[in-house]
Amino acid sequence: GNSVTQMEGPVTLSEEAFLTINCTYTATGYPSLFWYVQYPGEGLQLLLKATKADDKGSNKGFEATYRKETTSFHLEKGSVQVSDSAVYFCALSDAGGAGSYQLTFGKGTKLSVIP
Amino acid sequence: DTEVTQTPKHLVMGMTNKKSLKCEQHMGHRAMYWYKQKAKKPPELMFVYSYEKLSINESVPSRFSPECPNSSLLNLHLHALQPEDSALYLCASSQASGIGNSPLHFGNGTRLTVT
Repeated sequence: GNSVTQMEGPVTLSEEAFLTINCTYTATGYPSLFWYVQYPGEGLQLLLKATKADDKGSNKGFEATYRKETTSFHLEKGSVQVSDSAVYFCALSDAGGAGSYQLTFGKGTKLSVIP
Repeated sequence: DTEVTQTPKHLVMGMTNKKSLKCEQHMGHRAMYWYKQKAKKPPELMFVYSYEKLSINESVPSRFSPECPNSSLLNLHLHALQPEDSALYLCASSQASGIGNSPLHFGNGTRLTVT
C-alpha cells in the first residue's frame, strides 16, 4: 500500500535559519504530492503541490521538488520566520488524478521558530 | 479565512447525547470529506461524499452517521459516543475530479470532547 515517511520532530530553528523537512514516499503508479500546514487551533491548509516527476511546487517562500528517482518531496525554505511555526504534513494522492479521493499523510513535523 | 465553515467550533457531549456537526462550502466543490484528528497525529479519513452520494466509508462505527443534504452541506450525526471519540473533526472539500487535480480545502474543525 501507499505510505509517507517524514522526519520526526519537533524541529526548533532560529529566525532566518534554513529549513529542510524530509519526506519520502512509497506508492504504485504516479501519485500527486502535497505539503499541508496546520497552524495552532486551525485546520490544514495546502502549502504546495506537485503532480508529476521533476515538478517544483512553491508558495510563501517554501519549495519542494517531486523526485521520482529518490521517491522524495523534501520541503525547504531559505529563511524561516516566527510565523512559520506550525505542523507540516507531507501527503500523497494515489492515481494522481481523476477519481482519486484518498490522501495518505505522513505523521507530521512540528516546527518551532524562535526569535 | 477558510472557505469551508464548520460549526460548532467546540462541543462537549455526554455519552448518551445526540448531536450534529455541520460543514458548509460555497466553492462549487462536489466532493466532501470528514476526517478525525487526534492530538499530534495526522488526520484519518472517515467518509467521502461525491455528488452527494457516499463513496468511501472507512469502516467507521455506526455511532457516526454522515449526511449530505445538498452539494454545499455536510453533516455528521453523533450518538452514543465514547470518550475515545474525543478529537478534532475536520471537514474538507475538493472538486469532483479527484484530489490530484484539486487539493482538499479544510475547515478549522470542531473540537469534540465526550464526557
